[in-house]
Amino acid sequence: EVQLVQSGAEVRKPGESLKISCKASGYNFPKHWIGWVRQMPGKGLEWMGIIYPSDSDIKYNPSFQGQVTISVDNSITTAYLQWNSLKASDTALYYCARRQRDYTYAMDVWGQGTTVTVSS
Amino acid sequence: QSVVTQPPSVSGTPGQRVTISCSGSSSNIGTNFVNWYQQLPRTAPKVFIYGNNQRPSGVPDRFSGSKSGTSASLAISGLQSEDEAEYYCAVWDDSLSAVVFGGGTKLTVL
Repeated sequence: EVQLVQSGAEVRKPGESLKISCKASGYNFPKHWIGWVRQMPGKGLEWMGIIYPSDSDIKYNPSFQGQVTISVDNSITTAYLQWNSLKASDTALYYCARRQRDYTYAMDVWGQGTTVTVSS
Repeated sequence: QSVVTQPPSVSGTPGQRVTISCSGSSSNIGTNFVNWYQQLPRTAPKVFIYGNNQRPSGVPDRFSGSKSGTSASLAISGLQSEDEAEYYCAVWDDSLSAVVFGGGTKLTVL
């Protein structure tokens, strides 16, 4: 079964760092782009960026460029989303999702989401 | 303000046909494939239409997608109570070099 399993909920203070994970299984991990989507409380979906595990090619949404870092570890088929200095406005639900192997940019498999709360 | 625009809400009664629109520009919908996602409360989104009008396996054929120029639509016929959800269109934008989501449309089955 193709699955993306994300790490658990996190609570941090402003200025702290954080790295959340997305463990993939059931498919050829290096050959599918994997991306991150933010959903702030009560709001819509925002595409943050995407990475191709095979060569670590990354495309960031300009709105998130420099604010987060997307990476992968192919040895454990895991993708990561990282912050160096969290802000209260980073409080949100974060999803990882696999991109289909076509030209549509459709995301066909989603993780269950990781809630990040940033509060002093 | 999202780059692609959806109505905030639509509603219909069981058995009716409803459509959700998604309006964009030449740098996104006019050039690239549109995908539609359904998000039920407190669950991850699920792709319901990809490549403008393709249905993944398991999605009922009551759901259909279309695109014309810089607009796209999701149509749901034979509306059922379980269709009540938030629906998002999404498309690659050549100017931003990023995927843009519409703001989402809340479908209410009356």
